[in-house]
Amino acid sequence: AQKITQTQPGMFVQEKEAVTLDCTYDTSDQSYGLFWYKQPSSGEMIFLIYQGSYDEQNATEGRYSLNFQKARKSANLVISASQLGDSAMYFCAMREDTGNQFYFGTGTSLTVIP
Amino acid sequence: EAGVAQSPRYKIIEKRQSVAFWCNPISGHATLYWYQQILGQGPKLLIQFQNNGVVDDSQLPKDRFSAERLKGVDSTLKIQPAKLEDSAVYLCASRAPRGFKGNTIYFGEGSWLTVV
Repeated sequence: AQKITQTQPGMFVQEKEAVTLDCTYDTSDQSYGLFWYKQPSSGEMIFLIYQGSYDEQNATEGRYSLNFQKARKSANLVISASQLGDSAMYFCAMREDTGNQFYFGTGTSLTVIP
Repeated sequence: EAGVAQSPRYKIIEKRQSVAFWCNPISGHATLYWYQQILGQGPKLLIQFQNNGVVDDSQLPKDRFSAERLKGVDSTLKIQPAKLEDSAVYLCASRAPRGFKGNTIYFGEGSWLTVV
């Protein structure tokens, strides 16, 4: 079974609008971490935001927020006020505390339209 | 604070040739990863080091890939002989200490390999 599922291969959003990128995960661990990374065409994976499984509040980092719904095992990324520079691939990832691996999803390609 | 450094950035080689990639993790990060990312896919873990010991190399094609981290800092990933399907971006990453942003991993810019 896939540990991380991203069902949106590609998304479009108008500049200055908000967009939600979906991510669901599968784990039997009680303690784990969820992450989002941005990968522009240059190839570097840029860390955006982190949510711990025990964190009661949704994480926020500037224009990024993580909509964490533990019961549904979802960790959606919300980007507010989209900018042209937000066009990139976005990867959801999970780290289980019992193991050492980071599991990555297949990514969502976001295109911001002027 | 300096990020994860990788070199070379780009490499084009012919099949059956060899190539080596170098990585210097963020200072103080004991855990180092090598990932392979084929175009259009998510990163796939090749090998994980804790200091200079191997933690997980279950997905490393050991007949052609090798990696080492002799002094627990820098690491090299070697492919010999290369195949066409090895064309990918090779990402090196290192992990933050426990308690810092959930042990998140930070990536280098990647080494783009094209095998022709």
